[in-house]
Amino acid sequence: SAVISQKPSRDICQRGTSLTIQCQVDSQVTMMFWYRQQPGQSLTLIATANQGSEATYESGFVIDKFPISRPNLTFSTLTVSNMSPEDSSIYLCSVESGRYEQYFGPGTRLTVT
Amino acid sequence: QKEVEQDPGPLSVPEGAIVSLNCTYSNSAFQYFMWYRQYSRKGPELLMYTYSSGNKEDGRFTAQVDKSSKYISLFIRDSQPSDSATYLCAMSGNAGGTSYGKLTFGQGTILTVHP
Repeated sequence: SAVISQKPSRDICQRGTSLTIQCQVDSQVTMMFWYRQQPGQSLTLIATANQGSEATYESGFVIDKFPISRPNLTFSTLTVSNMSPEDSSIYLCSVESGRYEQYFGPGTRLTVT
Repeated sequence: QKEVEQDPGPLSVPEGAIVSLNCTYSNSAFQYFMWYRQYSRKGPELLMYTYSSGNKEDGRFTAQVDKSSKYISLFIRDSQPSDSATYLCAMSGNAGGTSYGKLTFGQGTILTVHP
């Protein structure tokens, strides 16, 4: 399985600011995914990030709010822009390994005040 | 109606009990079925995965898929306090290729195993 790290692990941000979350994988992977887990809720896919192409966003998520970069096969960033308290969540990146398996990072716990 | 329904619990059992966790789904395109375990303040950890219908066993864990009923289960035998966590079912509908794509998750069931 892949080893995934995320930075920062947690942050408290003010309304209207932006935060960039980093995801680093210990091996090269084709597909990376960004999920959101709101308090007491399950995981919701934000977007899929392939190296060398634009990220594909799920319904309800837009690039202006959640810009994603994927500069190489081991790294991706997700930015949460113009934050509001409703953006308070855990943000998780995951990678695909093998045919079925998707492995998750430890998550970034974001609180917007 | 959500695509994947999972009873959030909480579920509390004594140590040594057999635990049954379940999910139902509505999308018949789902073919890959997974169970994740998530400890507090950690990312989800892949426990089991199965393709299509059938059973799969790994130690104390057994995953079952019944596509005709759109119902999946995870059984934990001889449950331990260390099994206390949130258990999430997840499903995917992509077939073939190298990508199985988007996962759709259940809400998660909070399990506590008390000594």
